[in-house]
Amino acid sequence: DAGITQSPRHKVTETGTPVTLRCHQTENHRYMYWYRQDPGHGLRLIHYSYGVKDTDKGEVSDGYSVSRSKTEDFLLTLESATSSQTSVYFCAIQTTGSATGEAFFGQGTRLTVV
Amino acid sequence: AQKITQTQPGMFVQEKEAVTLDCTYDTSDQSYGLFWYKQPSSGEMIFLIYQGSYDEQNATEGRYSLNFQKARKSANLVISASQLGDSAMYFCAMREGGGGSYIPTFGRGTSLIVHP
Repeated sequence: DAGITQSPRHKVTETGTPVTLRCHQTENHRYMYWYRQDPGHGLRLIHYSYGVKDTDKGEVSDGYSVSRSKTEDFLLTLESATSSQTSVYFCAIQTTGSATGEAFFGQGTRLTVV
Repeated sequence: AQKITQTQPGMFVQEKEAVTLDCTYDTSDQSYGLFWYKQPSSGEMIFLIYQGSYDEQNATEGRYSLNFQKARKSANLVISASQLGDSAMYFCAMREGGGGSYIPTFGRGTSLIVHP
């Protein structure tokens, strides 16, 4: 258990409203990621972080922003939610201390924009 | 161009039979890592197996093995003696470089259904 918690687990929101998803880790890993999962697309990287206040864009970053003010928390914000952002969102951390460096994932957040 | 290609959207296998899930990758890096993850219907992502680009032997983890063919840039997952609990989505992923850029890139996944 890599100690990753996502909140909320489920959310329904209206088009045009801001939404913030939270990822919390308990093991001080440096690298954290936000992915979205959609049928037929697999997991696509939205944003990632390589340290406090160090973030960068991924493949599908338009309409999303992130912040990491503490090592343990990585926040994903949808500034003005659209129906195309209805998806399952996964946070992941990278275990750089292991020989394999596999990513561990949170439980996911199912977001529905109506 | 996709870095990870999984050409089988869906696969079916009989219980106790072996099944191979295909994955090809594209990279110009010499150092990279390949991963397989399982996602059951409950939704969590479960790490299964890893293969490093410099590993000479195919990785194995219990009933899972990774058929690594470097020259062909393929990293197929073989599940031996399939069980009903193996029914899930399977994702192939790659991490490129060894200089700190650990960002995993995922394929689109293969849905595996195991029939009794």
